[in-house]
Amino acid sequence: QKEVEQDPGPLSVPEGAIVSLNCTYSNSAFQYFMWYRQYSRKGPELLMYTYSSGNKEDGRFTAQVDKSSKYISLFIRDSQPSDSATYLCATETSGSRLTFGEGTQLTVNP
Amino acid sequence: DAGITQSPRHKVTETGTPVTLRCHQTENHRYMYWYRQDPGHGLRLIHYSYGVKDTDKGEVSDGYSVSRSKTEDFLLTLESATSSQTSVYFCAIQGGRGGYTFGSGTRLTVV
Repeated sequence: QKEVEQDPGPLSVPEGAIVSLNCTYSNSAFQYFMWYRQYSRKGPELLMYTYSSGNKEDGRFTAQVDKSSKYISLFIRDSQPSDSATYLCATETSGSRLTFGEGTQLTVNP
Repeated sequence: DAGITQSPRHKVTETGTPVTLRCHQTENHRYMYWYRQDPGHGLRLIHYSYGVKDTDKGEVSDGYSVSRSKTEDFLLTLESATSSQTSVYFCAIQGGRGGYTFGSGTRLTVV
């Protein structure tokens, strides 16, 4: 069983839709949670970084962590075609090593 | 890209040959990482370094070695390339606000 599970999609939505991306993790020792965005043929870039349970908002993006159920989410409001990318969740383990989900491919259609 | 560069960007090599990929940073970060990215597997850690000459294995380290003789350079060597090592390789450094900063990747094809 993978330590971080993420539905790979693909996910296709119309412009303006609210997008919900989700991951589950198995290790209760994970403390830090991240979302990365990766455009085609580019390296991943950090989108959101959270530590505790609860919500963190940055513009149209909201990251949510529920440690009791080991569930992390990313919400994108008013989605734009420029949001089309692969979104990867990640958790931080000991020794500053990240464990990634498989990534969800998102397409926002104009 | 935030002071981290990878070279080469693309490489095609033959089975059985050694290959070295280079990661260079200008951020003076202590931690550096090598990941590979494959469909169905996402990003998987190969090796990482926590200082000059200090390295450790990740989850998919078989067939790979690394070296770090200077803070700014982290080299990944495929000792004898196999077709299963065809992949996109990413180097990363631990960023200032948490998380990692990734390089642009090296696309390696082993034929």
